[in-house]
Formats: sequence, structure tokens, C-alpha cells
Amino acid sequence: GAGVSQSPRYKVAKRGQDVALRCDPISGHVSLFWYQQALGQGPEFLTYFQNEAQLDKSGLPSDRFFAERPEGSVSTLKIQRTQQEDSAVYLCASSHISNTEAFFGQGTRLTVV
Amino acid sequence: AQKVTQAQTEISVVEKEDVTLDCVYETRDTTYYLFWYKQPPSGELVFLIRRNSFDEQNEISGRYSWNFQKSTSSFNFTITASQVVDSAVYFCALSEEGGFGNEKLTFGTGTRLTIIP
Repeated sequence: GAGVSQSPRYKVAKRGQDVALRCDPISGHVSLFWYQQALGQGPEFLTYFQNEAQLDKSGLPSDRFFAERPEGSVSTLKIQRTQQEDSAVYLCASSHISNTEAFFGQGTRLTVV
Repeated sequence: AQKVTQAQTEISVVEKEDVTLDCVYETRDTTYYLFWYKQPPSGELVFLIRRNSFDEQNEISGRYSWNFQKSTSSFNFTITASQVVDSAVYFCALSEEGGFGNEKLTFGTGTRLTIIP
């Protein structure tokens, strides 16, 4: 595809359920980022990959959050035992190399009920 | 710790008016990058500009212009002759030293701009 693709676009989860959010970056993009955007707020950094290496995961809010990018392309953000405060839009972005423009996907809106 | 402040939560202007969105940042880094992104209702963040801390030249791109002033830690964004299509939430962001400019962005809370036809 031409841009960063995220799926699903919308996800409703019952509290305590595990969820997996997928990001398909632009083909050939080395860098991949995940951000969390709460309603009415700016995005907050979660984690960063360069190829398959997770170079920074300092923004992951708890050990219930886990991200992977095993083959250096598609990435999955997994949230275990979801809680209401996890409700947010999860944005993925990719860039060719770190010092070039990052392209964002449309995000996955997660609602935990 | 880094911080980005966008004091204007919402702005409404009539079409064709000029509008300036304010951004003030805090960082202890000597090398950093500043960004502006546009977020339309569809949700994706659209990159508008990246500026490094050593380049204080103002930039103009069509109807958009940016004013970077290190002395006041500000990176303001002006839209000239606004159009309805400019309606969106605009975010200012700052990246940490040590990276190449994208790795870890600190965003402001955004300014919702509404252009009234």
C-alpha cells in the first residue's frame, strides 16, 4: 500500500481481554514507532524499532504492553488484561531512516468497556 | 524533561483571515528538532515541517510559515489567507537529542483550528 496501514481501525474490548493491534509500515521503511493518543491529548511515545530491534520501549506504560516486529516489517502492539485507562487511539508511524519524515497511519481506536 | 506547550486549545477564524498557532518548548538538550503536524478528522498525523535547533531561519511554504525563536523557545506557525481545508488539530512536537530527529517525539496537546466559511 501507499501509506502506513493499521488494523483494526476500531476495537472494543471487555476489561481483562487481551488485544493485538497491527501496523503495516510503508515498504522498505526501517524505523517504526508506536504512539498512544488519549482523547483530546497529543500522542505519547510508546516504543521505537529499527528493523527488528526494539531500541526504545521507555514509553510503554506497564508490563501489560508488549510490542514486536519479528521480521523488521509488520509490527504488533499487544495489550494484555486491558483496563479502561487503555482506551485511546494507538498510532503507528514509519520512516525510511530515522532522519527522514515519519508517516503516520490512521490509528486504531481502542475502547475498553 | 522535555515539554511542549500549546496554550491555545481552540481557535476559530473566518476564511481568508491569517492565523498564528503558538508553540513554546522546554528542553535541556542543545541539539533537538521541532515539528508541526496536522491531524484532520480522519486521524492520521500529516507532517508539515521539521526544524533543527541550529537553524533559526524562518521558513515559508505556500500559505504556511514558521517562526523559530530560540531566545523565547518558541516555534510558531502562521497560516495566511486561511481556507476551510485548513480546519484540523495542529500539533507541535519536539524530539530528544541523540537521535536523528524522529525517534521519540514529545507532542503538545494540540490546537483545534476551525475555519468558518
